[in-house]
Amino acid sequence: AQSVAQPEDQVNVAEGNPLTVKCTYSVSGNPYLFWYVQYPNRGLQFLLKYITGDNLVKGSYGFEAEFNKSQTSFHLKKPSALVSDSALYFCAVSGNTGFQKLVFGTGTRLLVSP
Amino acid sequence: ETGVTQTPRHLVMGMTNKKSLKCEQHLGHNAMYWYKQSAKKPLELMFVYNFKEQTENNSVPSRFSPECPNSSHLFLHLHTLQPEDSALYLCASSQEGAGGRGNIQYFGAGTRLSVL
Repeated sequence: AQSVAQPEDQVNVAEGNPLTVKCTYSVSGNPYLFWYVQYPNRGLQFLLKYITGDNLVKGSYGFEAEFNKSQTSFHLKKPSALVSDSALYFCAVSGNTGFQKLVFGTGTRLLVSP
Repeated sequence: ETGVTQTPRHLVMGMTNKKSLKCEQHLGHNAMYWYKQSAKKPLELMFVYNFKEQTENNSVPSRFSPECPNSSHLFLHLHTLQPEDSALYLCASSQEGAGGRGNIQYFGAGTRLSVL
């Protein structure tokens, strides 16, 4: 069965600094990997996904993620954080079930200070 | 707006009440989902409907009863809930093709449920 681990409950970063939110996964076969963001009182919003091809995936709002097969990781990154990036971030994986079934991590709260 | 609307946004109910959550998607998608979001836990997939047919029921207690009358609407009927059922209930939709993987799910804002 597929699983996702987000080892950090919270990440703190100063505005303008680079940020990284970590995610590792476990799945048989080739993974489909996703990042979603949740702002207060909102549902989850899609940021980016990796299916195949270039290991560096670019997404919305200047975010990108790097797929590393040997380390089974898919860390979310942004070169320069904004206060408005403060939110809850979820990593998710879809495995070889033949139907879209996303397994989510526990989420990482990103707090960007001015 | 994501094109997925959930009502009500907030719901308080007693353990003996019966209530329903509603979800409507305006995206023309063919798959809809119910998730439960509790603090510090992964999102829990509860039910999946693909072309109006239920394809997934992740050992959800029978006090939760889904209904999908058409591909645009999804309901979650609630009865005799427990306090531990208090959570944010999220609805999502996606367009599923033959491959069935890699498709983006679009989420509603959720219903915050409190069971007293």
